[in-house]
Amino acid sequence: NAGVMQNPRHLVRRRGQEARLRCSPMKGHSHVYWYRQLPEEGLKFMVYLQKENIIDESGMPKERFSAEFPKEGPSILRIQQVVRGDSAAYFCASSPQQGLETQYFGPGTRLLVL
Amino acid sequence: QKEVEQNSGPLSVPEGAIASLNCTYSDRGSQSFFWYRQYSGKSPELIMFIYSNGDKEDGRFTAQLNKASQYVSLLIRDSQPSDSATYLCASLTGNQFYFGTGTSLTVIP
Repeated sequence: NAGVMQNPRHLVRRRGQEARLRCSPMKGHSHVYWYRQLPEEGLKFMVYLQKENIIDESGMPKERFSAEFPKEGPSILRIQQVVRGDSAAYFCASSPQQGLETQYFGPGTRLLVL
Repeated sequence: QKEVEQNSGPLSVPEGAIASLNCTYSDRGSQSFFWYRQYSGKSPELIMFIYSNGDKEDGRFTAQLNKASQYVSLLIRDSQPSDSATYLCASLTGNQFYFGTGTSLTVIP
C-alpha cells in the first residue's frame, strides 16, 4: 500500500526558471493539500484540491504559483519564474475526505533556487 | 495574530520522564486539533487528533483539549530518545489546516 508519493525529492533551479512539483496521493484518496515549509518555520497551507477542482487556494501567492489535480495523473504545483525566496520544502498531503484525521504527508520536495 | 502558537523550545527531558507540549489557538471555530511529529529532514507524521474537550490517550501519548481556554497539549509518558523530534500542533478551521511553528523536543538518555 504505497503512501503519498512526491517527485522529485530534490529540485535545483536557477532564478527565472520554472519548477514543477508532483504529488500522487494514496490509493483511494481524492483530496490533496499542498504546504510550504521554510527553514525554522511552520507548515503554511497553500492550496486544497479535489479531482479537477481547486477548493481553496487562499494560501497561494497571487502570482507565479498555480496548482492542478487532473482527472488522471498526479497533482502538480507549478512555480513560474522562481526566485530565491521560493527555496523551501514543499509537502503534499492527501486524505480520502476533507480534513479530519486521515491526512497523510508525502516525503516532500526540497526546492533550491540558485 | 497567528492561528496556532507553540513554544518553540527547545524542550529537554531525561529518558523516562513525561514531556509536556503546549499549543494555543485563536479561532473558536476551529473544529479539530492534531499533533504531528517531524524528524529533521523528514515529513510530518500524524500522532493523534482530538476534537472533544478532555483527554484522549493512545499508548504513551495523551492529547488534552480545553476549548474554553483554547488550549491543546500533548503529554508523552516514559519519553524515549527516539521521541526526540519537532512536534507540530495543527488546527482544522473550515477547509484549512493551520500549523504552529513546532516545539523541538530532546530526550536525554
